[in-house]
Amino acid sequence: KAGVTQTPRYLIKTRGQQVTLSCSPISGHRSVSWYQQTPGQGLQFLFEYFSETQRNKGNFPGRFSGRQFSNSRSEMNVSTLELGDSALYLCASSLDGVFIYNSPLHFGNGTRLTVT
Amino acid sequence: DQQVKQNSPSLSVQEGRISILNCDYTNSMFDYFLWYKKYPAEGPTFLISISSIKDKNEDGRFTVFLNKSAKHLSLHIVPSQPGDSAVYFCAASAFEQGGSEKLVFGKGTKLTVNP
Repeated sequence: KAGVTQTPRYLIKTRGQQVTLSCSPISGHRSVSWYQQTPGQGLQFLFEYFSETQRNKGNFPGRFSGRQFSNSRSEMNVSTLELGDSALYLCASSLDGVFIYNSPLHFGNGTRLTVT
Repeated sequence: DQQVKQNSPSLSVQEGRISILNCDYTNSMFDYFLWYKKYPAEGPTFLISISSIKDKNEDGRFTVFLNKSAKHLSLHIVPSQPGDSAVYFCAASAFEQGGSEKLVFGKGTKLTVNP
């Protein structure tokens, strides 16, 4: 079974631009969640989508948004990029149902975003 | 407010010895705890979990202990192997009002196992 695939692996953007990251979950997984990893803050939960609906949301500004398609693939968008948005963005998928209790998260290898 | 704390950014142990990684939490509503391991340039991988109704869960060389009264959990790796060298994240989850789920990670502890 193929794992969680994130594209692209690396991105360099300038302040003020916007960026879209893509995530393809493991086949059969309906929950997709997104995380930001920075050296200072560790792993922080952004949001979770299930059946094309945002079901859980972390404490990030509205510049961070996402969506999920009918095939469970998900995209995350960051608008008006700031230097502090430079981070590793990780996507994770899990089986349908509650995204923690029923099965652990399966992470992709992440997209490294650098904002200059 | 950091609800899940891993106070040791790094830990170094000798191969064959025990590694003990610690995690403290502040929110008494957390009822499920997980450990993830992360190698450089890879996403985290699930290691082991424990429900709040238990105080110990074991899987091979990995054991997680939960002390609810102290709001503390620890991951024991015995014996430690060089391949265990990675960053270990502790995570905690709880249901919030309205049915949504809160998931909080610690900042991670970098474990180095020396041959």
